[in-house]
Amino acid sequence: DTEVTQTPKHLVMGMTNKKSLKCEQHMGHRAMYWYKQKAKKPPELMFVYSYEKLSINESVPSRFSPECPNSSLLNLHLHALQPEDSALYLCASSQGVRDRAQETQYFGPGTRLLVL
Amino acid sequence: AQSVTQLDSQVPVFEEAPVELRCNYSSSVSVYLFWYVQYPNQGLQLLLKYLSGSTLVKGINGFEAEFNKSQTSFHLRKPSVHISDTAEYFCAVRKAAGNKLTFGGGTRVLVKP
Repeated sequence: DTEVTQTPKHLVMGMTNKKSLKCEQHMGHRAMYWYKQKAKKPPELMFVYSYEKLSINESVPSRFSPECPNSSLLNLHLHALQPEDSALYLCASSQGVRDRAQETQYFGPGTRLLVL
Repeated sequence: AQSVTQLDSQVPVFEEAPVELRCNYSSSVSVYLFWYVQYPNQGLQLLLKYLSGSTLVKGINGFEAEFNKSQTSFHLRKPSVHISDTAEYFCAVRKAAGNKLTFGGGTRVLVKP
């Protein structure tokens, strides 16, 4: 089973709202990722968690706040977003093992976010 | 740093015809190579990957890709496409020592009846 689940599937929020995106995997993976994907573009990496610790932040604005409460869950807290933040937000996970050759990222279906 | 170029942004193809999607990469270190497919309004699904060994890699849904180190290419092929293969295809590379994927710009495949 290589399933990564994301909720909600769709989200509409105003610029003053606070909302959260949730990602879950039960593959025993120890690395989890947030990507942002604009229409007709490839995914752009935002954050990487490795063993529940933030290991990569690709200079993402502070209005995006990631959280990894345990090895199966990854959240993305959203506050005071701008309309240009509207996009598909993808979560991924990978094994997080020492043998990097085995590292393969598996993606969830995404949350489509619209900021009004 | 590594980079990935997908030479075709769109590839129209008739049903049951073959298709080839081109991917070239540049990197100063060893990399692993991946192809992902994204169907409309969905996330990315792994089609296949090259880690080591045989340079011809077979994936899901009848796709295969060939790694060519001298030409730094990893082209994706399918001998006979179906309407259901209409999707966006992304080539990606990852440094052998890291976990960060670098994606190409994507190739949109439109299969016509």
